[in-house]
Amino acid sequence: SQTIHQWPATLVQPVGSPLSLECTVEGTSNPNLYWYRQAAGRGLQLLFYSVGIGQISSEVPQNLSASRPQDRQFILSSKKLLLSDSGFYLCAGNWETEAFFGQGTRLTVV
Amino acid sequence: SQKIEQNSEALNIQEGKTATLTCNYTNYSPAYLQWYRQDPGRGPVFLLLIRENEKEKRKERLKVTFDTTLKQSLFHITASQPADSATYLCALDSNYQLIWGAGTKLIIKP
Repeated sequence: SQTIHQWPATLVQPVGSPLSLECTVEGTSNPNLYWYRQAAGRGLQLLFYSVGIGQISSEVPQNLSASRPQDRQFILSSKKLLLSDSGFYLCAGNWETEAFFGQGTRLTVV
Repeated sequence: SQKIEQNSEALNIQEGKTATLTCNYTNYSPAYLQWYRQDPGRGPVFLLLIRENEKEKRKERLKVTFDTTLKQSLFHITASQPADSATYLCALDSNYQLIWGAGTKLIIKP
């Protein structure tokens, strides 16, 4: 079965600090990978997606970037966090149809 | 633009009754539609997928219908239980990604 590992579960960072959230995939190769952000009581906002190593597409202009250095690794980064970057971040993988999600990271920028 | 609508208000249902959630979409003809369950602070979990040529799909106490003419899907939970309380999201396929509804919060009262 496919599993998405995402960490940490919670993170508190000061404004202006860097960010690195890592996501790894277990159980399949060459998945499509996604980073979402979810505001409280809202739907999933697609931030980045990747169909292969080194291939990143951005859906929303923002203070964040993503990289896929390996087939099963997807990283969300920021050089300088803003207060508005606070939220619940989810990594997901998609194999043909259904999506599998990681546990999520609750990021609070203070 | 493509749009997916789910009831934004929470749905309160008495235990043992059938809960019915609605997902409406516009400006799109998806090949399939999916339903997910999301618990607070967790990532969504896949429940059911129904294809455009299927009218109905069942899984244990869950039933999904798909009306491509009305552009609507209904999600039913029969014999509802307090453990079914969660937010339920629908999603439509769009090439490389899924388009998500904002979700409906379901509360099953004992």
